[in-house]
Order: sequence, then C-alpha cells, then structure tokens
Amino acid sequence: NAGVTQTPKFQVLKTGQSMTLQCAQDMNHEYMSWYRQDPGMGLRLIHYSVGAGITDQGEVPNGYNVSRSTTEDFPLRLLSAAPSQTSVYFCASSSRTSFLLAKNIQYFGAGTRLSVL
Amino acid sequence: DQQVKQNSPSLSVQEGRISILNCDYTNSMFDYFLWYKKYPAEGPTFLISISSIKDKNEDGRFTVFLNKSAKHLSLHIVPSQPGDSAVYFCAARLLYGGATNKLIFGTGTLLAVQP
Repeated sequence: NAGVTQTPKFQVLKTGQSMTLQCAQDMNHEYMSWYRQDPGMGLRLIHYSVGAGITDQGEVPNGYNVSRSTTEDFPLRLLSAAPSQTSVYFCASSSRTSFLLAKNIQYFGAGTRLSVL
Repeated sequence: DQQVKQNSPSLSVQEGRISILNCDYTNSMFDYFLWYKKYPAEGPTFLISISSIKDKNEDGRFTVFLNKSAKHLSLHIVPSQPGDSAVYFCAARLLYGGATNKLIFGTGTLLAVQP
C-alpha cells in the first residue's frame, strides 16, 4: 500500500547546487503533478504530466524541470537552487478517469522539505 | 491573484461542537470544489467534494455547502473530534484546453479541536 512515495524527506542545498526530487507511485495513475507549499500561499502547481512522455507547466515552473519516461516516476529537477526555492514540495497523482471525468481527486506523497542556503 | 481564499488562518473549537471552515473563490468557471485535510509531516488527503451544480454534499460528520451566487463554500464538521485537528485546504477544479484541468488551492485553515 505504498501509494505516492517521495524521496528524500529532507534536503539542504547551497545556492547554485542542483538536485532531483524523486516521486514514484504504484497505482498506475496517468496524471502526476508537483506542488510547492509556502506559508500564506497554499499549494501551487509547478509542473504536471498527463501520461508518459507528456509534461506541461503549472503556475510556478521557473527554475524546475520535469520528465516522465515511465508511468510510475515523475522526478522534479532543480537546475540551480536559489533561496526562493526553499519550500515543502508535494508530488501527487490521479487516475485518468478522475482527472478527465470526475473531480481530479489527487493522492499526495508525504512531501520533501527543502532548504536552500 | 488568489482565486481561492481561506481568510481564517486558524480556528479553535471544543470537542463535540461544530467546526465551520470557510472558503471564497473568484472564478465562476470552477466546476468542482474539494476539501483536503493535512496532518503535520504528511501529504494532504482528500476529504469531500461538491459539484458546482449542487449546493450541499454530506458524508458522515462532514458536510460541504456551496453558495454560487456568493462564490462561497463552507465545510461543517459535526461533532468535532480531537482527531480532526489538522490543516484544511479548499481546492477548486478549473477546466481549460478541452479536458485538461488543474486544482487551485487555498492557503489552508488550521483547525484545533480542544478536548
């Protein structure tokens, strides 16, 4: 019953470093997305994917890259970390049926807390 | 431009009483509204939803009310229990580009239920 798994749980980076936040789901969901949560801002969509090989930008995509080579994995890459990217990052997934025909109920991972110094 | 607003950052209620969490929105194109609950160090989990064509949806102790004319929805928890203490996010679904859609989240309300 893993659901959506995010690694690592915590990470500290120096400005300019790059890293990849991992996200994997075992529910065979087509739709996956990345959000960041900041105080007073709620959850904001960074990037999303509606299936393997298909990705698109959300509200706050600058400074992040994604790819979707398999249905299960959706990594988020920080190209050159900046202090403004200090945040809690959540990965979420949703079935095609829910995404297209219903409410887009998304299942979330436990999050990655990232600090950029 | 915050399209989904939760103006109360926190709410404290006594166990057994009613909790009412509020959410306002600005975009009349939202077609579904969802409430998520989040415990510390965990991801948000889906709680209850309502279609924009309904005005009420009930699931056990949880009821969501939608007032489209006021662009306002509320989540009622009756009776409140200490285990309900969490952050509650309101979210709205926006359709665009055909079937593509995304969820817009509010800023969250921290509910504390006192024993």
